[in-house]
Amino acid sequence: KAGVTQTPRYLIKTRGQQVTLSCSPISGHRSVSWYQQTPGQGLQFLFEYFSETQRNKGNFPGRFSGRQFSNSRSEMNVSTLELGDSALYLCASSPVAASYQETQYFGPGTRLLVL
Amino acid sequence: GESVGLHLPTLSVQEGDNSIINCAYSNSASDYFIWYKQESGKGPQFIIDIRSNMDKRQGQRVTVLLNKTVKHLSLQIAATQPGDSAVYFCAENGGGADGLTFGKGTHLIIQP
Repeated sequence: KAGVTQTPRYLIKTRGQQVTLSCSPISGHRSVSWYQQTPGQGLQFLFEYFSETQRNKGNFPGRFSGRQFSNSRSEMNVSTLELGDSALYLCASSPVAASYQETQYFGPGTRLLVL
Repeated sequence: GESVGLHLPTLSVQEGDNSIINCAYSNSASDYFIWYKQESGKGPQFIIDIRSNMDKRQGQRVTVLLNKTVKHLSLQIAATQPGDSAVYFCAENGGGADGLTFGKGTHLIIQP
């Protein structure tokens, strides 16, 4: 079974631009969670989508948003990029919603650099 | 949510020795824990998990121990190999609204 895939793998943007990242979960998984990883803050939870609905959201500004499609693929969008948004963005999939405490499997991440 | 922490940012061990990576958590309501391994340029890879109704779980060359009394989690890697070199994270899922809460990671360095 194929793992979690994320596109693109690398991205360079400038301040003020917006960006859309894509995540395809493991086949059959309905939950997709997004995390931001930086050297200073570590891994931080952004939000979770399950059955096309956002279930939970971490402590990030409204510039960070996402959506999930009927095939469980998910996108996250960051508008008005800031230098501090430079990070590795990871998505993780799970067969059930995260609140059911099952394992989450991570993709390789998208490395975003904001100049 | 409450944080999950690791005691050491770096751990250096000799190839062939056993490694023990520790993690302290503070949310007493947490009842599901996962260890992940992250190699350079890759996403976290699931290693092993444990639920709060257990105090020990074994996998292939890895063992996770959970001490709920002192809120401590550890990962033991037997006969450490060069391929074990990575950053190891413990993560907690309290079943709430915060997704997984991660510790800051321990970088395991294998010396030949």
